[in-house]
Amino acid sequence: KAGVTQTPRYLIKTRGQQVTLSCSPISGHRSVSWYQQTPGQGLQFLFEYFSETQRNKGNFPGRFSGRQFSNSRSEMNVSTLELGDSALYLCASVALPGTDTQYFGPGTRLTVL
Amino acid sequence: AQRVTQPEKLLSVFKGAPVELKCNYSYSGSPELFWYVQYSRQRLQLLLRHISRESIKGFTADLNKGETSFHLKKPFAQEEDSAMYYCAPQPPVQGGSEKLVFGKGMKLTVNP
Repeated sequence: KAGVTQTPRYLIKTRGQQVTLSCSPISGHRSVSWYQQTPGQGLQFLFEYFSETQRNKGNFPGRFSGRQFSNSRSEMNVSTLELGDSALYLCASVALPGTDTQYFGPGTRLTVL
Repeated sequence: AQRVTQPEKLLSVFKGAPVELKCNYSYSGSPELFWYVQYSRQRLQLLLRHISRESIKGFTADLNKGETSFHLKKPFAQEEDSAMYYCAPQPPVQGGSEKLVFGKGMKLTVNP
């Protein structure tokens, strides 16, 4: 099976812009979670989706949002970008919540100038 | 406050030496406990989870509920064990959640 894929892999934006990141889970996986990784804060949970519904949300401002489609693919959006949003954004998928290992994608490296 | 602590950021040992990567957590209830590893230029991946009680690549992790610790151990480190290691409790959430709370990570370097 192909692993979790994320697009784009690298992205450069300027302050005030918005960005959309995409995550395609492993085929058959229905749950997707998103994390932000920075040198200072480490890995922090953003949100998770299952069957197109947000199940849980981390402690991030409302500028961070996400959604999941019927094919389980997920997108996250960050509006009004700030310098501090520069990070590696990871997504992880699992077949069914609570049943299996989470598999991580390679991440999207976002740089905000 | 709920949190997870990996007290050491760096650990450097010689091949064949024992290693112990420490993890302490503070959560109410009984979190599921994981160790994740990230080798150079590879994805973050699961190393082991407490509930399965497996030994993966020679690593084991002992849960001490009294001390709320979940230390990762290996008796004889190998050069290929060099990587970033993250302790990651999964706090119990009403209704269920896949949310992981990661420690800041520890870089293990195994020298020849």
